[in-house]
Amino acid sequence: AQTVTQSQPEMSVQEAETVTLSCTYDTSESDYYLFWYKQPPSRQMILVIRQEAYKQQNATENRFSVNFQKAAKSFSLKISDSQLGDAAMYFCAYRRYGGGSNYKLTFGKGTLLTVNP
Amino acid sequence: NAGVTQTPKFRVLKTGQSMTLLCAQDMNHEYMYWYRQDPGMGLRLIHYSVGEGTTAKGEVPDGYNVSRLKKQNFLLGLESAAPSQTSVYFCASSYSSRVGGTEAFFGQGTRLTVV
Repeated sequence: AQTVTQSQPEMSVQEAETVTLSCTYDTSESDYYLFWYKQPPSRQMILVIRQEAYKQQNATENRFSVNFQKAAKSFSLKISDSQLGDAAMYFCAYRRYGGGSNYKLTFGKGTLLTVNP
Repeated sequence: NAGVTQTPKFRVLKTGQSMTLLCAQDMNHEYMYWYRQDPGMGLRLIHYSVGEGTTAKGEVPDGYNVSRLKKQNFLLGLESAAPSQTSVYFCASSYSSRVGGTEAFFGQGTRLTVV
């Protein structure tokens, strides 16, 4: 079974600085997808960024980027120019490639990010 | 476009009571899921459905039942609530695609307390 590990239960960053959240995963598959979700205090789960394992190029979305190291099974999230609104719980998630039951997401336990003004 | 809507948003149950959580999506998605979120545990999959009339067990199915009689609805039932089922419950949906790494769209969550 696939597992997703987020080794940092909590992180903090100063406003306008950069922070990196770590995620490692275990899988025997060669094709899969990885996601970072943000959960602010409102509880809503919001997709931040997505990475397809077959793509060597790291995904970026504005201030958010990932460092995807397939051989090391590592998928870290970098937040640049941190803003107060970035404060949230961040979840790393894995999904197998293909349809049917492969669409299930496996989540890490989350990293609580605090942004200090 | 409402997306994924969960009903109710909050509920308090007594041990042994039953209830049904309703999830409705208006995006014509094939796949629907129920997760529970507990502190320090992330989100864990309870049950899921890959199409109307089909359901399957996830990681933590015990004590729950589900039904998908209509494509847009996915119901989660607790027949006899236990304090261990105190949690935040999330419904999610996604569409099927041969090429897409389609993400899941989540509802707002239901906070359930069993006393």
